[in-house]
Order: sequence, then structure tokens, then C-alpha cells
Amino acid sequence: GENVEQHPSTLSVQEGDSAVIKCTYSDSASNYFPWYKQELGKRPQLIIDIRSNVGEKKDQRIAVTLNKTAKHFSLHITETQPEDSAVYFCAATEGSSASKIIFGSGTRLSIRP
Amino acid sequence: NAGVMQNPRHLVRRRGQEARLRCSPMKGHSHVYWYRQLPEEGLKFMVYLQKENIIDESGMPKERFSAEFPKEGPSILRIQQVVRGDSAAYFCASSTTASGAYEQYFGPGTRLTVT
Repeated sequence: GENVEQHPSTLSVQEGDSAVIKCTYSDSASNYFPWYKQELGKRPQLIIDIRSNVGEKKDQRIAVTLNKTAKHFSLHITETQPEDSAVYFCAATEGSSASKIIFGSGTRLSIRP
Repeated sequence: NAGVMQNPRHLVRRRGQEARLRCSPMKGHSHVYWYRQLPEEGLKFMVYLQKENIIDESGMPKERFSAEFPKEGPSILRIQQVVRGDSAAYFCASSTTASGAYEQYFGPGTRLTVT
């Protein structure tokens, strides 16, 4: 089955700096890679996703890159703000089916004022 | 659109009791997924259901756990004879039936505490 590894587990950056979170996956058939943000005690919220036919996607201060050959994908947050502090999860489909999404273990991002 | 609804938000059960968790998907969604999240950990897939069908239950423990999504009403995750290790946050998510639509939207979760 699919295995998703996520690094780092914790990340602290100065406000205004960039943050990068990296994930690898094992299933070469995976074709959908979402990223979720979870604030303390809240539900995971989808912030950006990418399909396997695209190498990069950007939405304002957030961007995701995908390298299918190397089987890794990354989340980039630029000009970080205090409200970016949260736990971020990467995920990947198991196979090419939408039925099962496997999550990484999460990255706790802290923004220092 | 009210989004994905879950209830109760908090549930306390004594060891040996039954826990029933309910999930109503977003309007227009007929695919439901259940995940378990232990404190300080990630989300673990449990089961994927469509109306009246269990599609994939590979993440569900073989005993004590069951799930259903009837033709009418919410999806229910049922845990029989709960043990302390069942204490966790249980999230459901829903998605549409549209071809190629993979996005899953999460409910607020049910936090189960077993005493």
C-alpha cells in the first residue's frame, strides 16, 4: 500500500520568511496530492492540492511542487504570518483511485513574531 | 451550505459501552470517509462508504468497529465495547460523485474519551 513520509515534524520560522515542508510517497500510481492545515482542536482544512499531470501549482502565498520521477512533493509558504501557525499534513491517493487518501504524520509550523 | 456535520462533538464512554458517531456529508456529496486521529498524530484512514455500500474498510479494526451509510440519514461509525485505546478524535470527510473529483472536506470531528 501507499506510504507517505513527511519532514520536518516541527518547523519554526521568523515571520515574513518562507517555510518549506517536504513529503515522499511510495505508490507510483498515486495521482492526487492534497495538503491540509489543522489548527489546534479544529478540523483539517484543504488548502491546496495538485494532480499528477501538473508539476507546480500556486495560490497566493502557497505553492506546491510535484516531482513524479522522484516521488516527492513539497509545500511552500512565502511571507509567513502568525495565522500560518498550525499543523500541516500532506497526503497522497493509494493508487489512482480517489477512494483512499493516505496522510503524512504532520508538520507543526510555528511562526515567530 | 452547512458543510460536513458531525455529532456529538464530544462523547464520553466507560469501558465496555458502545459509542455511536454520526456524520452528515455536505449537500450533494454521497461519498463518506472516516478517519481516526490520536493525540499529536496524523489521520488514519478507516473506511470509505457510499450510500448503502461499504467500498473500502481496509483501515477498520476487524472487531468491535462497524460503519454504515444508509439510504436515508447520516453515516454512523459504531464502536462496541470501547476500550481506553479507542480514545481519539474521529473525523469524517465527504466528497462528490463527480468523475475526477478527489477533494475531501472534513467535519469538525467527534472527540471520544473512554474512561
